[in-house]
Amino acid sequence: DADVTQTPRNRITKTGKRIMLECSQTKGHDRMYWYRQDPGLGLRLIYYSFDVKDINKGEISDGYSVSRQAQAKFSLSLESAIPNQTALYFCATSDPGTYQPQHFGDGTRLSIL
Amino acid sequence: QQQVKQSPQSLIVQKGGIPIINCAYENTAFDYFPWYQQFPGKGPALLIAIRPDVSEKKEGRFTISFNKSAKQFSLHIMDSQPGDSATYFCAASIRRETGANNLFFGTGTRLTVIP
Repeated sequence: DADVTQTPRNRITKTGKRIMLECSQTKGHDRMYWYRQDPGLGLRLIYYSFDVKDINKGEISDGYSVSRQAQAKFSLSLESAIPNQTALYFCATSDPGTYQPQHFGDGTRLSIL
Repeated sequence: QQQVKQSPQSLIVQKGGIPIINCAYENTAFDYFPWYQQFPGKGPALLIAIRPDVSEKKEGRFTISFNKSAKQFSLHIMDSQPGDSATYFCAASIRRETGANNLFFGTGTRLTVIP
């Protein structure tokens, strides 16, 4: 089983809909992250969380919200989806510490029509 | 704006060749430079990383060269194999007082190794 699991893997929805992407991990890591990947732009950080009580905005948080329900679960919501939020979304986890690697899930491909 | 600039966007080499991917940055506060490898349908995975107190790091066939004065670093893949075909991302991070060390990624290089 994957250490970092994202659901759903694919989602197609319409403009204006509320969408939730979920991430769960079995690595026991405190830190969790949400990124979006766009062709030609690389990965950009949306939100990150150091523990259940600590949520922080990343580079591109506008239009997104997150919830850290437990150490192992971190969800990303799009309150009212718009087409330019069509992208590949990744969840990642890491241990605390400056040089700890981030471990990524396999992504959710989201298309907003 | 893009904090880490990566080139080329795509690269095709023959098996056994040595592809080189280059990255550049402006922020001298960056203190950690990892490379991530991503296969289709998968998330990125850490390949190799370097800190600015060394000029080179090797792990197997993968080498990072780091030029602090030029604010550039590069990934070399020795004796490249078709299984190395993937997208490669460079990244950089700053250690902050809050303990945050968020990664800023380059735009990625799609490498194809022809058998």
